[in-house]
Amino acid sequence: SQKIEQNSEALNIQEGKTATLTCNYTNYSPAYLQWYRQDPGRGPVFLLLIRENEKEKRKERLKVTFDTTLKQSLFHITASQPADSATYLCALVSSGNTPLVFGKGTRLSVIA
Amino acid sequence: DVKVTQSSRYLVKRTGEKVFLECVQDMDHENMFWYRQDPGLGLRLIYFSYDVKMKEKGDIPEGYSVSREKKERFSLILESASTNQTSMYLCASSPAMGNSPLHFGNGTRLTVT
Repeated sequence: SQKIEQNSEALNIQEGKTATLTCNYTNYSPAYLQWYRQDPGRGPVFLLLIRENEKEKRKERLKVTFDTTLKQSLFHITASQPADSATYLCALVSSGNTPLVFGKGTRLSVIA
Repeated sequence: DVKVTQSSRYLVKRTGEKVFLECVQDMDHENMFWYRQDPGLGLRLIYFSYDVKMKEKGDIPEGYSVSREKKERFSLILESASTNQTSMYLCASSPAMGNSPLHFGNGTRLTVT
């Protein structure tokens, strides 16, 4: 069956460290993979999109990698801050005309 | 900036009531979506629409219907609300499928008693 798994429900790290979140998928051949941030009581907000032929994408302190052989995406936040504390969702699209399918999310807490 | 507005932040309804959740987007997006979000289950797609008057079932359409009479508005209808439909409902829109990000509203927390 098709699955999207985010490595852990919750992740605690110290301020200033790099947070690394994992998204693994099974029985998909995603054309695109997206990452979102969700704060409590709010809707998810888009962060980054990476295509199947891209290995890496960066935006400010954020970096996403996409390994179609390992069927995995890694999401990194460098120099993490307490304001980065949120739930991060990965989502993928199998082909052009299908909607996004979401993982369950990882709740990141950055401790000062 | 794209704005997706959901008509209510909180709603309390009784079992058996007909419930309407409204969503409006202001960016002329073709596609609109309804998800529900539950602890431990994540975001699950209920219905989506890629054009006016068009609708497609998502992963969990049972107990729901939708209406899209105008491009900017997408309504989710619970024909006869049940307690297992207590959830956070999130509406989203996008200009295209696949390579476009979704723009979400802030959700409606529905409680059915």
